[in-house]
Amino acid sequence: GAGVSQSPSNKVTEKGKDVELRCDPISGHTALYWYRQSLGQGLEFLIYFQGNSAPDKSGLPSDRFSAERTGGSVSTLTIQRTQQEDSAVYLCASSFVASGNTEAFFGQGTRLTVV
Amino acid sequence: AQSVSQHNHHVILSEAASLELGCNYSYGGTVNLFWYVQYPGQHLQLLLKYFSGDPLVKGIKGFEAEFIKSKFSFNLRKPSVQWSDTAEYFCAAHAGNNRKLIWGLGTSLAVNP
Repeated sequence: GAGVSQSPSNKVTEKGKDVELRCDPISGHTALYWYRQSLGQGLEFLIYFQGNSAPDKSGLPSDRFSAERTGGSVSTLTIQRTQQEDSAVYLCASSFVASGNTEAFFGQGTRLTVV
Repeated sequence: AQSVSQHNHHVILSEAASLELGCNYSYGGTVNLFWYVQYPGQHLQLLLKYFSGDPLVKGIKGFEAEFIKSKFSFNLRKPSVQWSDTAEYFCAAHAGNNRKLIWGLGTSLAVNP
């Protein structure tokens, strides 16, 4: 598709389980972001991938969170041993930084509910 | 460190009122600036952006923003709001190819019919 695609759109998991969230960025986009948005809150930065550079992981809230981006395209955010406070909407965005137009395009998000 | 500040966290207006949402950024060099909007239940989408040139930029739905370099500001304006403008508004700044977008905390706008 032409936009950023995230899957699943909704995920309900039991506390303590691991989850994987997937993001398919716009083809050719070099930058990819993961954010977390809790109800009524702003965007919480998690991780940033840009080309072949080392990812900026400064926003990951704990070592239970990790992300990878394979082949400079698809990214997976993994949350291990989920906790109730992990419940949120996880947003992915991509942009083509090298063009000078750094507009970020967002996916619809994955709503994660930990019960 | 880079930062983006949005001064208004919650704004309530009546229809036809004028709107101005403040945004200030801390980076001193060349910067790209954005306003994004998130309507209830929808994903974030671009409202308008500034890269260079005319500091007054116009976006969708009658919104505009003015880049004032001396004030490090990029305030969002609309002369007459509508109920459908009820949404969350986010300001963001990007400086340099290897830097990430920096976001403000957002402003929740409620427009009463």
